[in-house]
Amino acid sequence: NAGVMQNPRHLVRRRGQEARLRCSPMKGHSHVYWYRQLPEEGLKFMVYLQKENIIDESGMPKERFSAEFPKEGPSILRIQQVVRGDSAAYFCASSNVASSNQPQHFGDGTRLSIL
Amino acid sequence: EDKVVQSPLSLVVHEGDTVTLNCSYEVTNFRSLLWYKQEKKAPTFLFMLTSSGIEKKSGRLSSILDKKELFSILNITATQTGDSAVYLCAVDYNTNAGKSTFGDGTTLTVKP
Repeated sequence: NAGVMQNPRHLVRRRGQEARLRCSPMKGHSHVYWYRQLPEEGLKFMVYLQKENIIDESGMPKERFSAEFPKEGPSILRIQQVVRGDSAAYFCASSNVASSNQPQHFGDGTRLSIL
Repeated sequence: EDKVVQSPLSLVVHEGDTVTLNCSYEVTNFRSLLWYKQEKKAPTFLFMLTSSGIEKKSGRLSSILDKKELFSILNITATQTGDSAVYLCAVDYNTNAGKSTFGDGTTLTVKP
């Protein structure tokens, strides 16, 4: 019973390149959440998606960042024209329903480093 | 703006000690408070607290919520080196379901 799977575990990009981070939710989960964690800080909410829909993107930077969760395949967090400040750990979580007493289950994260 | 504040930021104890971690919050449409343990990788779920005054226990860990004073504590008794981790507190909401707001965590180091 696989948990939330994120890949890659580590990603190195040069300034100006694009970064694509993937998240496959737990089996049976249709709600996905992306968080960013800077060193020595807590997780900061970015976006909440259900299949083919963005429900809440209030934590997403207005430019360069986008997210999708297609009908088939993993959720993708895409960062265009990366800058040094994008270096962080990006965590994905999933749940089976949004309004419930079930906590979100987290993946191991993708550590993005910008050279 | 919603806030979740954890204290202390870091804590160093010796095996066998008891620790208390604090989490206070100021949010609108509060639904529940959650505690997670993070050891280099994914945060792992510890407790979800929705009602005031009801202690939740799991082995040497316990937690309680005070919705009047807007805080929660996480207690760890007889600490072990394996308890060394970052402990994260988060709140979630009745509306905008799905989003969680996290504190910056308490880094606990347990020395042998």
